[in-house]
Amino acid sequence: NAGVMQNPRHLVRRRGQEARLRCSPMKGHSHVYWYRQLPEEGLKFMVYLQKENIIDESGMPKERFSAEFPKEGPSILRIQQVVRGDSAAYFCASSPLAGEAGANVLTFGAGSRLTVL
Amino acid sequence: KNEVEQSPQNLTAQEGEFITINCSYSVGISALHWLQQHPGGGIVSLFMLSSGKKKHGRLIATINIQEKHSSLHITASHPRDSAVYICAVRSYNTDKLIFGTGTRLQVFP
Repeated sequence: NAGVMQNPRHLVRRRGQEARLRCSPMKGHSHVYWYRQLPEEGLKFMVYLQKENIIDESGMPKERFSAEFPKEGPSILRIQQVVRGDSAAYFCASSPLAGEAGANVLTFGAGSRLTVL
Repeated sequence: KNEVEQSPQNLTAQEGEFITINCSYSVGISALHWLQQHPGGGIVSLFMLSSGKKKHGRLIATINIQEKHSSLHITASHPRDSAVYICAVRSYNTDKLIFGTGTRLQVFP
């Protein structure tokens, strides 16, 4: 069990480009969370997804940001037309389905560090 | 006021000292997590608590549900314990994790 896999670990983009960050949850986990950590700041919730469904996106900026968790493949956090203020570490975490054994267990990925030049 | 408050924000200690980090929260929770983040590193889950006390090596975590308070203790601290320690609660209503701002711990030899 490889744990939560995030890629790329580091991504450099120029202003106006698109950034795509991927997260493969732990085997057997059906819920994915994305968090952002700005430099010298704490973690902030962005979005909570299960397969093919966004459960809570109240932490997502209204524009340029989107997330999906398709039936097959990893969850993707997409940032269009990146700006310097998007430079941050983006962490993904996964958990089992609520109500299943260990439902509150949360496993974090190593994070993807986005730098916008 | 943040829904999850940690104290202190910064903490320095000499190797061997006993360390306590506190976390208070104001929402109903289904679980509380203590996380560790090393500089430039990923996040490791240390404990998940819904009641009582847990111990792992030199780390002890306690939670008082009635008082909405949790503590993380490190016994016989070591420089390798230097990291940011983050308290996070899972909201009972929304199932969302709410994070404290973290406590930056530095342990000097």
